[in-house]
Amino acid sequence: GQNIDQPTEMTATEGAIVQINCTYQTSGFNGLFWYQQHAGEAPTFLSYNVLDGLEEKGRFSSFLSRSKGYSYLLLKELQMKDSASYLCAVRGIGIKAAGNKLTFGGGTRVLVKP
Amino acid sequence: DADVTQTPRNRITKTGKRIMLECSQTKGHDRMYWYRQDPGLGLRLIYYSFDVKDINKGEISDGYSVSRQAQAKFSLSLESAIPNQTALYFCATSDPYTEANYGYTFGSGTRLTVV
Repeated sequence: GQNIDQPTEMTATEGAIVQINCTYQTSGFNGLFWYQQHAGEAPTFLSYNVLDGLEEKGRFSSFLSRSKGYSYLLLKELQMKDSASYLCAVRGIGIKAAGNKLTFGGGTRVLVKP
Repeated sequence: DADVTQTPRNRITKTGKRIMLECSQTKGHDRMYWYRQDPGLGLRLIYYSFDVKDINKGEISDGYSVSRQAQAKFSLSLESAIPNQTALYFCATSDPYTEANYGYTFGSGTRLTVV
């Protein structure tokens, strides 16, 4: 099975940087995803990591260490619109393709203050 | 039109009633999923289907059933609704060849309240 942990809530100031950590224990690993979800809306895809290291996409970066079961999402130059929940999700791996599905953490709610 | 459409958007139903949530997609994806979201618990997988003839239980399938009527349609049923099934329900689709670049595509959600 999968166990995914991330902080419940974080607060940061507009223009600052925030790092959201995610740790996971899994019986099989086939990639880690980050999603953004505004209140009452659908999650939207932000990033994907399957190899160790940093992936950068504009103001957002995601890091993965498979040996440590650890990832983080870095949000730079925070804007008010970045206030949302950020979901870490791990894709498993199975003998059949049915094992390759996403398991989500509880999400981290980020509040950006002026 | 949205790529993944869920109906209804909101629904209030009584305990014991049967209710169906519908999902249709225009992405052409074979893989479809039903998740429920409760505050603080993230998204939990109810059922998933990797093609029309394939149905699999997720981590919380008890009290739910699904039907994959076509590649584009995947319905979730609550046979006898109970109050702890009050939640936000999301349908999602994916293409295994593009998941790394685009992830899953989610519908806008159905907010279900069981009274």
